[in-house]
Amino acid sequence: DVQLQESGPGLVKPSQSLSLTCTVTGYSITSDYAWNWIRQFPGNKMEWMGYIRSSGSTSYSPSLKSRISITRDTSKNQFFLQLTSVTTEETATYYCARGSTATAWFAYWGQGTQVTVS
Amino acid sequence: QIVLSQSPAILSASPGEKVTMTCRASSDVRYMHWYQQKPGSSPEPWIYATSNLASGVPPRFSGGGSGTSYSLTISRVEAEDAATYYCQQWSSNPFTFGSGTKLEIK
Repeated sequence: DVQLQESGPGLVKPSQSLSLTCTVTGYSITSDYAWNWIRQFPGNKMEWMGYIRSSGSTSYSPSLKSRISITRDTSKNQFFLQLTSVTTEETATYYCARGSTATAWFAYWGQGTQVTVS
Repeated sequence: QIVLSQSPAILSASPGEKVTMTCRASSDVRYMHWYQQKPGSSPEPWIYATSNLASGVPPRFSGGGSGTSYSLTISRVEAEDAATYYCQQWSSNPFTFGSGTKLEIK
């Protein structure tokens, strides 16, 4: 079965960059689908951040476009999130998820990783 | 971006009751997805493309709607249904989520 696992620093200083890794097992990220980053803030508001497709193309939320980059390492079946110039308001739980390219249906999610900006 | 408004924010029901929660979009969307989330866990896929139940979702759940108004209905609530339910649209970038309806069981 498909499994996703986030990893990365739990604490980031304001104005620095946040970098997270999503390791995928049970499915190749180059076969199909869009590989997404989604975050959930305290109070539970959820925000889609962007994705990298199996082809390698990317799409980002316009609100983050100047600060976000999603890349991948196909040899390790991993994809990555980098978010620059973070603020304390970006403290959140960060999830990676597999999404349908046709409908953006997030059928598989990682367990999430808590990132505190302080 | 398309804003999704969910109501009610909190829904309290007794076991066996029928409940409906709604999700209204600021513009027409093609389809709506729904997720269930319990405290300390990731969102679980629940209903996709408006009315299709994800694998393992009990048939007492159903989804419907079109345009700007969508709903999730539970025909007979059970204790295990206590959770927060989120809607999500995919018609336009950015894909957006509603703020959630928390279902409490009396």
